[in-house]
Amino acid sequence: EAGVTQFPSHSVIEKGQTVTLRCDPISGHDNLYWYRRVMGKEIKFLLHFVKESKQDESGMPNNRFLAERTGGTYSTLKVQPAELEDSGVYFCASSQDLHRATDTQYFGPGTRLTVL
Amino acid sequence: RKEVEQDPGPFNVPEGATVAFNCTYSNSASQSFFWYRQDCRKEPKLLMSVYSSGNEDGRFTAQLNRASQYISLLIRDSKLSDSATYLCVVNPSGGYQKVTFGTGTKLQVIP
Repeated sequence: EAGVTQFPSHSVIEKGQTVTLRCDPISGHDNLYWYRRVMGKEIKFLLHFVKESKQDESGMPNNRFLAERTGGTYSTLKVQPAELEDSGVYFCASSQDLHRATDTQYFGPGTRLTVL
Repeated sequence: RKEVEQDPGPFNVPEGATVAFNCTYSNSASQSFFWYRQDCRKEPKLLMSVYSSGNEDGRFTAQLNRASQYISLLIRDSKLSDSATYLCVVNPSGGYQKVTFGTGTKLQVIP
């Protein structure tokens, strides 16, 4: 079974540019999460989709970040315009069962974003 | 105070040693607890969930102390391949899974 995949693996952009990250969850997983780890800090929650709906977007830093999950399959996270502090590793995770608190989240390999 | 706190380490231990990590959490209503392992420049992977009664998986034992609000991970007979960062992860709500990560504890097992 294919795991969570993310594209690109690395992205280097200049301040003010736009970047779009993509996540393909494990097939059949309704729950999709975005996380971010900035250097030296812990991994932090950004938002959670259940199918195509945003369940919780309380972790999104500001309105320069836009996440979508049209059709409830893959998701994109767009940063526009990018700022220096957006640099970090963006992880996507998926899980199957919303109602089981111990349900495992499977993480993708992450996208390493560098804003110059 | 951080929601989830861990000693960042590094813990440098010889092969075969036993090592233990603790993690404290601030939300007393937290329901679910996990240990994830993250290798350098890789994604986090679930090592084990932590249950109230404690649980064991081979050389790894996890414990939960609700009264003191901490969880622990014990690794026996350390292997070189155990070298990684161990992330303490807490689900504060018990419902959907918005989880909170600790910063991780780095373990280096040396020959």
